[in-house]
Amino acid sequence: DQQVKQNSPSLSVQEGRISILNCDYTNSMFDYFLWYKKYPAEGPTFLISISSIKDKNEDGRFTVFLNKSAKHLSLHIVPSQPGDSAVYFCATRSKGSTLGRLYFGRGTQLTVWP
Amino acid sequence: EADIYQTPRYLVIGTGKKITLECSQTMGHDKMYWYQQDPGMELHLIHYSYGVNSTEKGDLSSESTVSRIRTEHFPLTLESARPSHTSQYLCASGTGSSPLHFGNGTRLTVT
Repeated sequence: DQQVKQNSPSLSVQEGRISILNCDYTNSMFDYFLWYKKYPAEGPTFLISISSIKDKNEDGRFTVFLNKSAKHLSLHIVPSQPGDSAVYFCATRSKGSTLGRLYFGRGTQLTVWP
Repeated sequence: EADIYQTPRYLVIGTGKKITLECSQTMGHDKMYWYQQDPGMELHLIHYSYGVNSTEKGDLSSESTVSRIRTEHFPLTLESARPSHTSQYLCASGTGSSPLHFGNGTRLTVT
């Protein structure tokens, strides 16, 4: 049973606009959340993370929002660029686990068109 | 530039063959992991190691085995490959509170 759900398999956004990728989780024991980005034929690379004690974390064009009561997080990319086109995975870990024991969503394919 | 290396990148092999997927990292990370991903699906942890001579099974049951004789090396072995083992295998490493660093994966096809 999926504990991390990314319900949109794909998202298409025009260059310069905002991309919003969503992720829902089921387990209230999850305390740390990460986004990974994956280009074809490459491994996932870490993008941004957020601890459950925060509700927002920003890094340049990327912002992650966490709504614990709704068990929902989102990744905002502003402005979107063609180089952002990739698969984005939401991942999380249980409290007390290492950052290597992660639960992943199925990913959202983001396409940014000029 | 990759600090974690997986070979081969692609492997097509017949049923019943023994295979070993190689994974090496040059970062001195104590923790290493194997994840498996089918197309369009989530990554699942199948094996992990917190140090030399330490290996554990992950959350997804797998017929593969692993070994950790050296810090930098974490190979995965399938004694007898079957079509159900067709998948992408991703090796990763990490230490402390740092996020995982993944290799580029091995795409395995068993015919």
